[in-house]
Amino acid sequence: QVQLVQSGAEVKKPGSSVKVSCKTSADTFSNSAISWVRQAPGQGLEWMGGIIPFFGTTTYAQKFQDRVTFIADKSTSTAYMELISLRSEDTAVYYCAGDRRYSSGWFFDFWGQGTLVTVSS
Amino acid sequence: DIVMTQSPDSLAVSLGERATINCKSSQSVLYSSNNKNYLAWYQQKPGQPPRLLIYWASTRESGVPDRFSGSGSGTDFTLTISSLQAEDVAVYYCQQSDSTPYTFGQGTRLEIK
Repeated sequence: QVQLVQSGAEVKKPGSSVKVSCKTSADTFSNSAISWVRQAPGQGLEWMGGIIPFFGTTTYAQKFQDRVTFIADKSTSTAYMELISLRSEDTAVYYCAGDRRYSSGWFFDFWGQGTLVTVSS
Repeated sequence: DIVMTQSPDSLAVSLGERATINCKSSQSVLYSSNNKNYLAWYQQKPGQPPRLLIYWASTRESGVPDRFSGSGSGTDFTLTISSLQAEDVAVYYCQQSDSTPYTFGQGTRLEIK
């Protein structure tokens, strides 16, 4: 069973930044695309973008282009999502989600447990 | 951006009865070079991440019960649960991966009548 294990909940001040990690096995890391999807409280799912760790290529949703960075650390099979200039509207559960069939459509067949990021003064 | 619109927003169905959820995309998600629709369906239960049920509009993910089926092409898609079970109570989302940003429908809440 493929697993993605995310870092714990965070509470941040407006204007600060957050970095969420997502760890998996080396084999999964090398053969998957990893996306980041967020879900505000009681709301739907929003794709932020993704990274293909093997190639190091990234794609960002334009909405987040100026504020988010995805990193893939091959040495630890860990993906990171850093979001800067946080505002209250960024309060959400952030999921990493993997896709082993990304060459023919990005469908998210395995997910992390989610990381709650709360932005509050 | 491709807008995904689901209907209905909520649905109540009796146990053992059929449940049908619709999803419409603002433009076609049919990829002409391979004739595949880049459309997926997910199930999300409270406090859990989503679970992939269907991809390429009609291919069931491994381990998904065969009471779940997907159909449609181009811009109009349907998720059908042939005989509703108690464990199917959840929110269901469609998602397109034809073009970035990949977008989800607003979700359909499925309950037991």
